Amino acid sequence: DVKVTQSSRYLVKRTGEKVFLECVQDMDHENMFWYRQDPGLGLRLIYFSYDVKMKEKGDIPEGYSVSREKKERFSLILESASTNQTSMYLCASSLASDLGTQYFGPGTRLLVL
Amino acid sequence: GIQVEQSPPDLILQEGANSTLRCNFSDSVNNLQWFHQNPWGQLINLFYIPSGTKQNGRLSATTVATERYSLLYISSSQTTDSGVYFCAGGGYQKVTFGTGTKLQVIP
Repeated sequence: DVKVTQSSRYLVKRTGEKVFLECVQDMDHENMFWYRQDPGLGLRLIYFSYDVKMKEKGDIPEGYSVSREKKERFSLILESASTNQTSMYLCASSLASDLGTQYFGPGTRLLVL
Repeated sequence: GIQVEQSPPDLILQEGANSTLRCNFSDSVNNLQWFHQNPWGQLINLFYIPSGTKQNGRLSATTVATERYSLLYISSSQTTDSGVYFCAGGGYQKVTFGTGTKLQVIP
């Protein structure tokens, strides 16, 4: 079974703090994704990566950066957290050859005060 | 970018009833997936179905690519089917999610 894990289920941070969200997958997937989920808006893509050290902006990259130094790990960074970044953050991965089927982690609920 | 519209936004079913969820997309897609998000937030991939019909137990899905829509059928619903159902469409790597159908199955 594919396993995607995220470093925290719940996180509380203060405005202006630097926040790291970590995602690890154990199935050697080439593609990894970060989404945020907000009520009424579905999931929106922040960034994705199709290979180590490669990244592409999604639909809402402003205020975020990412890092992929190893194939199994994809980090989302909030350089200076703001209250409008309070959200559920979901990581996903997929095999490049699997025609795009995405497997999700359990999510991190981030509250920025 | 592609727009994905889901209907209905909310649905309440008696246990044992059948239902159909719909997903319309604004452009051709190479990748169309259905997901279920359980009440604890975990998203599970149900189907990868850019065209044709697939079945998995009480769930089945049909995508008519030429008409840009997909349907998810739930038969003999159970309380464990409750949650939010999302469809997502796009290219092989990147997809756009709809806003979901929230399903509540009551005993």
